[in-house]
Formats: sequence, structure tokens, C-alpha cells
Amino acid sequence: DAMVIQNPRYQVTQFGKPVTLSCSQTLNHNVMYWYQQKSSQAPKLLFHYYDKDFNNEADTPDNFQSRRPNTSFCFLDIRSPGLGDAAMYLCATSRERAGQGHEQYFGPGTRLTVT
Amino acid sequence: GQNIDQPTEMTATEGAIVQINCTYQTSGFNGLFWYQQHAGEAPTFLSYNVLDGLEEKGRFSSFLSRSKGYSYLLLKELQMKDSASYLCAVTGFQKLVFGTGTRLLVSP
Repeated sequence: DAMVIQNPRYQVTQFGKPVTLSCSQTLNHNVMYWYQQKSSQAPKLLFHYYDKDFNNEADTPDNFQSRRPNTSFCFLDIRSPGLGDAAMYLCATSRERAGQGHEQYFGPGTRLTVT
Repeated sequence: GQNIDQPTEMTATEGAIVQINCTYQTSGFNGLFWYQQHAGEAPTFLSYNVLDGLEEKGRFSSFLSRSKGYSYLLLKELQMKDSASYLCAVTGFQKLVFGTGTRLLVSP
């Protein structure tokens, strides 16, 4: 049974053309995360939501925005994708925040290509 | 700041034992996770250590020394399907910070 679902699995967009990636969860977890992972690199946290409370990482570019309209769904909007934004985007959820030792459940990821 | 170091790549043969080390320096520490990530797939949870010592779970064990900023993941009776990247991740200040991962190649 899928627990963290990401759509689409593969997304191709043009340079500068806005794109939205989606994530949904059936776990009813409080926290949802978006990570960017480039080839052979560690997943890099972009931001997270604790319920409706949005937490942006200091080094996340303004080009990246996020929305969480309800507990189950979270979206990643890239307003003007550049070639350097091509990466795997991973959505994850956890019952509580990472500092309390709750494991994160990852979706299968969306691989973004920018042409 | 936070710094997490792991070897980039390791090789081992089927049936062997391999130990993947992780050292970390963080300004805040709550615990340490190990995740497995197959190529092109999402990370999956392997273990979590918050206290010093060894946690055993089947073929996989994880060790933590908080005073030394050191952890290792021990994989026994290696199988071909264990070929993957192994990510060490540290929790602190309410977020998870990943190392770059160790790519393990298991050969017959």
C-alpha cells in the first residue's frame, strides 16, 4: 500500500517555465518535507511543514515555494526553473519532527529535467 | 554548522561482512539514522540510534558513540540486493541532515 505518493515520477519542463510537483500521504503525519537530491549527493532539505506551520531553510532559493492545503497534500512550486534545478525531488513525512527521533517515510521521488 | 563524513564507495563480496563508518560534527544532536537508497529510488529507513551502543536488527546492526561523534552500520551475510547507497543522517534542531552516502557494491 502506497503511503507517500509523488506525481509525476518524471517531469520535463523548459527553462523558465513554472512547474508544480505534488505529494500526498495516507499516514496522517504531522510533518511533510521536501528534499532536493542531485546525482551522487545527499538529499538537501528545502523546507518542511509542521501541520500548517511552514519552515523554510535559510539557503533555499526564493524560486522554490511550497503549499500544504490540507494534511494529506503538499506541493512544490518552482517558479522559474533553471538548468541547475534538474534533480530528484523527494517528499517525506514523519509523525513528529526529526528531533524527536521519528523516522521519515519517503515517496518514490520526482525526477525533474529542465531543457 | 554540521559536517557528516562517510566513505564514498566500498566493495565487498556476497556472504561477507562490511562496516560502513560515519563521523559527524553538529551543533545540535538528538540521534542518528541510517537509510538505504537503491539507485533512482527513495531512501528507506534502516535504523535509529539515540543512545551509545549497538542496535541489532537482523543482518544489519548500527553502533553509536556520541562522545566520539561516530557511528557505523554493520551488514552481515551480504547479498547482491544489498548493493545500494547507505546514508548516515543526523537529527538536530528539528531537522535531518544527511551525509553524501556510501555506495556499496556487492560482487558474487
